Amino acid sequence: AQSVTQPDIHITVSEGASLELRCNYSYGATPYLFWYVQSPGQGLQLLLKYFSGDTLVQGIKGFEAEFKRSQSSFNLRKPSVHWSDAAEYFCAVGAGVWDTGRRALTFGSGTRLQVQP
Amino acid sequence: DSGVTQTPKHLITATGQRVTLRCSPRSGDLSVYWYQQSLDQGLQFLIQYYNGEERAKGNILERFSAQQFPDLHSELNLSSLELGDSALYFCASSVGPTANTGELFFGEGSRLTVL
Repeated sequence: AQSVTQPDIHITVSEGASLELRCNYSYGATPYLFWYVQSPGQGLQLLLKYFSGDTLVQGIKGFEAEFKRSQSSFNLRKPSVHWSDAAEYFCAVGAGVWDTGRRALTFGSGTRLQVQP
Repeated sequence: DSGVTQTPKHLITATGQRVTLRCSPRSGDLSVYWYQQSLDQGLQFLIQYYNGEERAKGNILERFSAQQFPDLHSELNLSSLELGDSALYFCASSVGPTANTGELFFGEGSRLTVL
């Protein structure tokens, strides 16, 4: 079964500092990987996704993520954090292209980002 | 605005009661997914419907049921409610039958409090 681990429950960074949120996944083949963001009182919004090809993917709001197969990781990064980035971030894994099973996305437990002025 | 509408936004009820949560997907989306978000369990997939048919099932309790109607809106019915059912229930929609493209659009959720 597919699973996702986000080891950091809560992270605090200063505005303007760089950010890296960790995500490790477990899946038998190459998965589809996603990062979602949930702002307070809102639903989840897709930030970026990885299906195949270039392992560094760009998303919205200046975020990027790098897929590292050898480490089963898909960490999210941003070079300079803005106060509006304060939110909860979820990594998710989906079955890859060869999987014809009926599976939904599996989400990690989330990392709450706090931004200090 | 994701285009997914969920009602009610907040609901307070007592143990043993039954509630219905409603979801209208984005225009043109045929799949509806229900997720439960709680502090101890995180975001858990409950069930998916595609064009009126059940497509995938997750950790949905037998006390819970769902359906998708011909106009594609969906309802999640929660019965014999327990304190532990208190959570935020999200509906998401997508165009196709599989979630693995990641193009899920989430509503703002229905917060259920069971007293």
